[in-house]
Amino acid sequence: QVQLRQSGPGLVKPSQTLSLTCAISGDRVSSKSAAWNWLRQSPSRGLEWLGRTYYRSKWHRDYIVSVEGRITINPDTPKNQFSLHFNSVTPDDTAVYYCAREVYLGTSTSFDIWGQGILVTVSS
Amino acid sequence: QSVLTQPPSASGTPGQRVTIFCFGSSSNIGTNNVNWYQQLPGTAPKALMYQNNQRPSGVPDRFSGSKSGTSASLAISGLQSEDEADYFCATWDDGLNGYVFGAGTKVTVL
Repeated sequence: QVQLRQSGPGLVKPSQTLSLTCAISGDRVSSKSAAWNWLRQSPSRGLEWLGRTYYRSKWHRDYIVSVEGRITINPDTPKNQFSLHFNSVTPDDTAVYYCAREVYLGTSTSFDIWGQGILVTVSS
Repeated sequence: QSVLTQPPSASGTPGQRVTIFCFGSSSNIGTNNVNWYQQLPGTAPKALMYQNNQRPSGVPDRFSGSKSGTSASLAISGLQSEDEADYFCATWDDGLNGYVFGAGTKVTVL
C-alpha cells in the first residue's frame, strides 16, 4: 500500500523559503512508472499544480510557469522522499500544500495517491 | 480564476441523478483526457475518474464520466449522503505546459 507522509513547518515569514518534504512508502521515488508532484489549495487560487519530478533514465523536473524561478522540487533517493523549496514567499502563498503520486492509467495519468496536506501560513 | 470552469454548486435528493459540468478549451480538454477528484471536508482529494470515463478500483459504478469537445461531465446516479463533497475536474494544458483544475463544484444532498 503506497503512502505519502508530508512534513515541514506550518508558519513561514514573508520573503523566506518554504520547505516541505514528502516521504514515500510502498513505492520508490526513482520508479520509472511514476512522477512525484506538489500541489497547493487555497480559497483564492483553488487547487493549483506546482510541479513534479520523475526519473526516466535521468531526473526530470517540470514547473508551472507562474512559479518558475521560485520553486525547486528535488528527489532524495537514499531517503526515498522528495522535497519542495519555494523561495521569496508572500502571504499570497498561504495554502494547504499537498504532495501526490502521478501514475499512468490507460492512456493518461492520474494523481492516485495524495499526502495528508500541510497548511502553510505566510505571516510575520 | 481557474482555467477550467465548473458551476460552484449542485444539489439533489437521495436517489436522484446529479451531473457536474467542466468547461475548458482546445489547449486542455479539447486535446487531453480529463480526470475527476472528490474531496470530502477536511481531507485530501481522492481520484474518482481518469481518462474521461474510467473508475479507479473501489469507486462505485454510480459515478460515471464523459467528454465531448472542450467539455466534460461527471454524473452521480443514485445520490447518497456520503457523496456530499467537492468535485474537481483536471487535465493537462498544452499551452501552460502543466496540469490545470476547475474551481470545484460543491455537491449537497438535500
